[in-house]
Amino acid sequence: NAGVTQTPKFQVLKTGQSMTLQCAQDMNHNSMYWYRQDPGMGLRLIYYSASEGTTDKGEVPNGYNVSRLNKREFSLRLESAAPSQTSVYFCASSWTIAQETQYFGPGTRLLVL
Amino acid sequence: AQSVTQPDIHITVSEGASLELRCNYSYGATPYLFWYVQSPGQGLQLLLKYFSGDTLVQGIKGFEAEFKRSQSSFNLRKPSVHWSDAAEYFCAVTNYGGATNKLIFGTGTLLAVQP
Repeated sequence: NAGVTQTPKFQVLKTGQSMTLQCAQDMNHNSMYWYRQDPGMGLRLIYYSASEGTTDKGEVPNGYNVSRLNKREFSLRLESAAPSQTSVYFCASSWTIAQETQYFGPGTRLLVL
Repeated sequence: AQSVTQPDIHITVSEGASLELRCNYSYGATPYLFWYVQSPGQGLQLLLKYFSGDTLVQGIKGFEAEFKRSQSSFNLRKPSVHWSDAAEYFCAVTNYGGATNKLIFGTGTLLAVQP
């Protein structure tokens, strides 16, 4: 039982390049989330998916897109990376959108030059 | 709007000393409160949570937290700190039972433990 997994662990991009961050969970959770973590700002919600087939914007969605591929997988795409998107990205999941405990993956560290 | 304030950016304590990390929240209804810990290079792990009932909640690793509605606080405590407790600690609040479970995080407190 791996919990929440994320790939890659680390990525360097040039400004304007695109990439997709992958997230998968094996806990049969319905809801999944993407956060970014920046120094001094805590974690901020980018997008979330309440259930398979639905996605909604969080606090800081600009510059990102998401896909809930199936119940297990929730990907985050940067179409044209900018230096301001340099951050650590965390995926999380929970049983339902109204359930209390979110389980986090190990994070993806992204550097945009 | 909901918000969480962790006034202490960085705290250093000696191993074996007691610890209290402060958390204040701003929320109109009854909040659901959490403490998460993040070890270096790792994701976040839930330490404890408060929904209702007894205002003193016990968590993992010997941590506890007390909900004080009158002070809008949910401070984290540990009687005796171990070197392995060095990490960053995040307080969070959510409107459980609302339309969505959006966790609002504080900015974190980085704990250093001196030998």
